[in-house]
Amino acid sequence: AQSVTQPDIHITVSEGASLELRCNYSYGATPYLFWYVQSPGQGLQLLLKYFSGDTLVQGIKGFEAEFKRSQSSFNLRKPSVHWSDAAEYFCAVVGDTGNQFYFGTGTSLTVIP
Amino acid sequence: DVKVTQSSRYLVKRTGEKVFLECVQDMDHENMFWYRQDPGLGLRLIYFSYDVKMKEKGDIPEGYSVSREKKERFSLILESASTNQTSMYLCASRAGQRYNEQFFGPGTRLTVL
Repeated sequence: AQSVTQPDIHITVSEGASLELRCNYSYGATPYLFWYVQSPGQGLQLLLKYFSGDTLVQGIKGFEAEFKRSQSSFNLRKPSVHWSDAAEYFCAVVGDTGNQFYFGTGTSLTVIP
Repeated sequence: DVKVTQSSRYLVKRTGEKVFLECVQDMDHENMFWYRQDPGLGLRLIYFSYDVKMKEKGDIPEGYSVSREKKERFSLILESASTNQTSMYLCASRAGQRYNEQFFGPGTRLTVL
């Protein structure tokens, strides 16, 4: 069965510091992976996605993620965090049928000045 | 840009009331989804629909039903609202291919008293 684990419930970083949010997935074949961001009181917005090709994926707002099959991971990174990046981040994998998404429980990011 | 709208941002209902949550998308997407979001639990799929009048149960369908009479509209129905259905409800839509992302509405914060 497919699933996603985000080990970090909450992360605090200083503005300007680098960021890495962890995502581990469980899926037998080549996964289709997504990172979303949810600002307070809002719906989810896509940051980036991976389904084939280059394992380093660039997204919006200066985010990138690296797919590592050997580690079953798809970690999200940003070299320099801005205060506006404070939000909740969700990793997701598409299931076998191609319709259902499986989301992690999310990582809440706090940015301190 | 894809737009997914939800009929209400905030809703307060009483136990036992019948509740309708409406979702409309403007991009002719085949797939539509209803999730509920609770702290620490991430997004959990209630129902999804892959075509007009078609529906599939998600992970937590109990206490909910859905209706999709037109391609652009997907309704979530709480037949008899209960306090444990107090939650944030998110609607999403997606084109049919497996590598496509879901587009989310802003959410409806439902409180059942």
